[in-house]
Amino acid sequence: QVQLQESGPGLVKPSGTLSLTCAVSGGSISSSNWWSWVRQPPGKGLEWIGEIFHSGSTNYNPSLKSRVTISVDKSKNQFSLKLSSVTAADTAVYYCAREVSSSWYFDYWGQGTLVTVSS
Amino acid sequence: QSALTQPASVSGSPGQSITISCTGTSSDVGSYKLVSWYQQHPGKAPKLMIYEVSKRPSGVSNRFSGSKSGNTASLTISGLQAEDEADYYCCSYAGSSTLVFGGGTKLTVL
Repeated sequence: QVQLQESGPGLVKPSGTLSLTCAVSGGSISSSNWWSWVRQPPGKGLEWIGEIFHSGSTNYNPSLKSRVTISVDKSKNQFSLKLSSVTAADTAVYYCAREVSSSWYFDYWGQGTLVTVSS
Repeated sequence: QSALTQPASVSGSPGQSITISCTGTSSDVGSYKLVSWYQQHPGKAPKLMIYEVSKRPSGVSNRFSGSKSGNTASLTISGLQAEDEADYYCCSYAGSSTLVFGGGTKLTVL
């Protein structure tokens, strides 16, 4: 059973950089799946942030592309998210998820972690 | 790339059937058989209910079904049960290796 666990600071200052890591267990990050980040502002809907393949190939949401970097560390079986120049609008629960390759759906999700942007 | 359109809320009584619509464009829902649906209970992570428009993952009740016509996908829940009360989100491939979610629908079981 694949499990994903997000970790990182729960509070980030405005204009700073949000950094999160997703540890994958029960499966290899070098499998044929893509690995995604999805966020959900409090009381609002889901937003896809972007994805990465174990080769390092990435795809990003065009609305966030200029501020997002997703990377992978195969030795630690984990992948990471960096979101720069954050504002209060970036306050959200951030989920990592496994995406089934070529079918574009998420079959495993982390529990999510709340990141608040505030001074 | 705009969010897919879902009704803000739907409701039904136990045992009834309800349908949640998800309207996109010819650039996303209308062009690909790559629509998925997620159920989310308060404070929990989303759970996959339907993928590739109408396929059900192992373990998901056959009371949940999906379909698509043109630019609109639909999720139908038959024989409503109290535990079906949750938020539901559709998601579609939108071309150029991107994904788009719907705004979400709150299902109330009366």
